[in-house]
Amino acid sequence: AAGVIQSPRHLIKEKRETATLKCYPIPRHDTVYWYQQGPGQDPQFLISFYEKMQSDKGSIPDRFSAQQFSDYHSELNMSSLELGDSALYFCASSLGILGSYEQYFGPGTRLTVT
Amino acid sequence: GNSVTQMEGPVTLSEEAFLTINCTYTATGYPSLFWYVQYPGEGLQLLLKATKADDKGSNKGFEATYRKETTSFHLEKGSVQVSDSAVYFCALLPNTGTASKLTFGTGTRLQVTL
Repeated sequence: AAGVIQSPRHLIKEKRETATLKCYPIPRHDTVYWYQQGPGQDPQFLISFYEKMQSDKGSIPDRFSAQQFSDYHSELNMSSLELGDSALYFCASSLGILGSYEQYFGPGTRLTVT
Repeated sequence: GNSVTQMEGPVTLSEEAFLTINCTYTATGYPSLFWYVQYPGEGLQLLLKATKADDKGSNKGFEATYRKETTSFHLEKGSVQVSDSAVYFCALLPNTGTASKLTFGTGTRLQVTL
């Protein structure tokens, strides 16, 4: 079965650079979520989109922005990168937005800021 | 707000030992509860879930029962294998409208030795 696809899988950037992470949800899934997992930490919710509209927002820095496109894929744009942004970034997708719909996670993008 | 508390790790067991990882939660209403597993260097995989009180989720020999009276969702397995070594995250998903972000516990690392 098709899963959530994230690209790139690994990314190395320098401080103050920008990065763009992409997420392709499971076919027919209309909701996308972004989570950030720091080293040894639990995943923290950043932002979610349902039918191309932002549906919820968590602890996402103002330097980050995201959107969901007409084909339901999503991109997380990160600017003025800081060392503390080094983390594993997960995308998850679900069919629908109600709390009863389970989220399927992608393999993650490991971002290293040097 | 919502929160999940897990027992701290690492949990070190010999192969074929009995496993319990405790998880308790605080939430409004009746959330759905999940256990996710993260193998080294990989993403989050859904292990099992329960969507209402007294439901039992099970998968690959793992079980967890949704106990509303004790607000708990403890993970158990009768006989662990070396291949079960991973980090296990308990998580909740509110069933209240569009507030659909997962809240994770801090994760419990399981190490199984021969």
